[in-house]
Amino acid sequence: GAVVSQHPSWVICKSGTSVKIECRSLDFQATTMFWYRQFPKQSLMLMATSNEGSKATYEQGVEKDKFLINHASLTLSTLTVTSAHPEDSSFYICSAIDSGGAWGYTFGSGTRLTVV
Amino acid sequence: DAKTTQPNSMESNEEEPVHLPCNHSTISGTDYIHWYRQLPSQGPEYVIHGLTSNVNNRMASLAIAEDRKSSTLILHRATLRDAAVYYCIRNNNAGNMLTFGGGTRLMVKP
Repeated sequence: GAVVSQHPSWVICKSGTSVKIECRSLDFQATTMFWYRQFPKQSLMLMATSNEGSKATYEQGVEKDKFLINHASLTLSTLTVTSAHPEDSSFYICSAIDSGGAWGYTFGSGTRLTVV
Repeated sequence: DAKTTQPNSMESNEEEPVHLPCNHSTISGTDYIHWYRQLPSQGPEYVIHGLTSNVNNRMASLAIAEDRKSSTLILHRATLRDAAVYYCIRNNNAGNMLTFGGGTRLMVKP
């Protein structure tokens, strides 16, 4: 089945630094990828929709200059948390749709970001 | 707005069937009903989806009410590994995002 690889699975960084999270579709091409954020004991909240070769579409309240999304190829999207602060500590999850038509949304295993 | 309603939590005994309900009374004719589950510290995992007819796969069964205003995910024999948060989601399969509600936290007792 379709596999989405997300890396790293966890990261600890200092306040003010930037962190890049990668999301790769391993055995299919993904024109569209989604980035979610999940705080403890809460559900997933969509941050942005990433389309290959174009600018991402951000949900209301999500700062595009802080959460930089790049979807330069059909198999890779990256989320960079810039100038991270402790309140950015969360579980970040990507999801991808198979452009080839196979049904389904495949999720990465998530990245636990802790900003200290 | 997830537009589905699920109980916050449910308990089950191991090896027994589990019926997880979902209310989607305002569902449109083109919306599919999807179920995903999320194990602790992992991304969501696809379980099953359907439109009108009941569906079965190796993981579960999905029973959809005739009026499509509700559905039930059925785990035929719960195992400890089935302990997770189960999300019922409406989506028209047009490639837009999945909107997650609160889900049901399933606890399985040995």
